Amino acid sequence: EPEVTQTPSHQVTQMGQEVILRCVPISNHLYFYWYRQILGQKVEFLVSFYNNEISEKSEIFDDQFSVERPDGSNFTLKIRSTKLEDSAMYFCASSPQGASAPQYFGPGTRLTVT
Amino acid sequence: QKEVEQDPGPLSVPEGAIVSLNCTYSNSAFQYFMWYRQYSRKGPELLMYTYSSGNKEDGRFTAQVDKSSKYISLFIRDSQPSDSATYLCAMPSRGGSNYKLTFGKGTLLTVNP
Repeated sequence: EPEVTQTPSHQVTQMGQEVILRCVPISNHLYFYWYRQILGQKVEFLVSFYNNEISEKSEIFDDQFSVERPDGSNFTLKIRSTKLEDSAMYFCASSPQGASAPQYFGPGTRLTVT
Repeated sequence: QKEVEQDPGPLSVPEGAIVSLNCTYSNSAFQYFMWYRQYSRKGPELLMYTYSSGNKEDGRFTAQVDKSSKYISLFIRDSQPSDSATYLCAMPSRGGSNYKLTFGKGTLLTVNP
């Protein structure tokens, strides 16, 4: 069964460094998302992406964040200058349709900022 | 009032018990409802996806929606130790040309053998 994959599974970085989290969505899906989950808290929406542009972004998704679909398979989340409070699980999700179709999540990247 | 409320538990039951998990929501714009299962430090896994009020059954799982009360439930019959996980309710709402999910905080379930 097709699934969303994410790399790396765990990333440790120092405050102020740039990180890129990578995702390969399910191949025939057209809508892509990033969510994050701080330990012990709920899963929060960061950004949605369709047709090579951002559809919506949350208040969390400030100028330090960017997303890109550099080729036909990868979807990346870049954090330009990491802060301690960016430490969280980051989940990529994809959906075949935008119209409230189910979203399928990857296993996540655990980001630790020291 | 939070958009989606879910009792975080924890909930501990013996193997074979019927489990009831619930969420309430405040936003009338929510029309679709999803239940995800999340094992520790893993991604949410889609369990159930419903639209209309009423029940939807899939194996040991039944999702129930009451739009008039803004209340959804997930029932697990004959619960197994492998069902031990956090269960998240989620509801899509439109943002631009796309939809985003609003999650409940999740209910931690432990099924004891």
